[in-house]
Order: sequence, then C-alpha cells, then structure tokens
Amino acid sequence: NAGVMQNPRHLVRRRGQEARLRCSPMKGHSHVYWYRQLPEEGLKFMVYLQKENIIDESGMPKERFSAEFPKEGPSILRIQQVVRGDSAAYFCASSPGIDSYEQYFGPGTRLTVT
Amino acid sequence: DAKTTQPPSMDCAEGRAANLPCNHSTISGNEYVYWYRQIHSQGPQYIIHGLKNNETNEMASLIITEDRKSSTLILPHATLRDTAVYYCIVRVEGNQGGKLIFGQGTELSVKP
Repeated sequence: NAGVMQNPRHLVRRRGQEARLRCSPMKGHSHVYWYRQLPEEGLKFMVYLQKENIIDESGMPKERFSAEFPKEGPSILRIQQVVRGDSAAYFCASSPGIDSYEQYFGPGTRLTVT
Repeated sequence: DAKTTQPPSMDCAEGRAANLPCNHSTISGNEYVYWYRQIHSQGPQYIIHGLKNNETNEMASLIITEDRKSSTLILPHATLRDTAVYYCIVRVEGNQGGKLIFGQGTELSVKP
C-alpha cells in the first residue's frame, strides 16, 4: 500500500508565478490536511479537507492561497503570485475517516521562490 | 486545544533509554496525548497516543501521570536513527480533533 504521495518534491518559482502542489492520499483515505514549515520554524496547519469539502481553513492566508480535494484525483494546494516569503516545505497528511487517530504524512514539497 | 511545553533539546547515548517529558497542565478530559516525530525535514511520523493509561507499542512507551498534567515518551533503546524532533500534541481523538497543532518540540540527539 503506497504511502501519501506529493509532487513535485521540489518546485522553483519566480516571484509572481503560480505554484500548484499535489497530494495523493493513501488508498481509501478521504481526509486530507495541509501543513507548512517555514525555514527554521515549526509546522503550521493550513487547511483540512474531505472529498469536495473544506472542513477547516483557519490556517490559510487570506489571499493568494486556495485548496481543493475533488471527488476524483489528488488534493491541490494552489499559491497565486508567489512571494519570497512563501518559500517553505509544504506537507500533506491523510487519514481514513472520522475516527482515525493517525495522520499519515507525505514527504513534502520544497517550494523555493526566487 | 491545550498547550504543551517541552524542553527544546536533549541528548541521549546510543542504546540507552530516551525519556522525553511534556507538560500539558490545561488538558481537557476528552483530549488525548499524541506524540509525533520529524526526522531531518521528512514528513512527521506518528509514534503513539494515549488518554490516561500507559501505552506501549513497537516504537515507544507513553507514561501519563495520574492527574494527566504531564507525560513522558520513552524510547527504550535509542539508536542513531531516533535522532529527530519530537512533538507532544494534545487533541481530541479522531478527525473530530481536526488539525494537529505542533509546538517547537524537543530536538533529540542520539550520540554514539
């Protein structure tokens, strides 16, 4: 059973471009979380999604950031008009259901904005 | 979610037990204590969780005090591969608890 997959693993964007980060949860998992880790800082929650629904987006910056988890396909974290401060590691986690106690994390996407 | 306090760093000799403390004095009755670790910028990894009884699995043991205001994660025979940042988190069980709130964690260095 493959783990959580994230791609790309490394992404370089120039200021003002768009970044699209993909997360394929583990098979059978319908809950997805996105976290961000800025350089030399801890992990911060961004958004929690179930299929076709955003459950909690309290950690998402108000502008330029959006997330989706469609009925089919991976979850997408989209960052429009990237700035240098968006450079970070973005981790996705998945879990199977409402009673699951464990979140399974992917390897992360390292975004560098030049 | 309740707040946790952990020492920023600890050292442990290889082969010895690593005991990582965590204070969570404002924990609520329905909140569990979870431990995750992050090895060298990899994705975090679940270790163990518990409510009030001591728990043990193949990775570690979790000792929770009777008043539930603190706990200790024990790695019985630490190896170099256990070098990581260890996070203590309190939240309700399952996805009702939603997000994990990571603090600064304890950076454990296992030395030969």
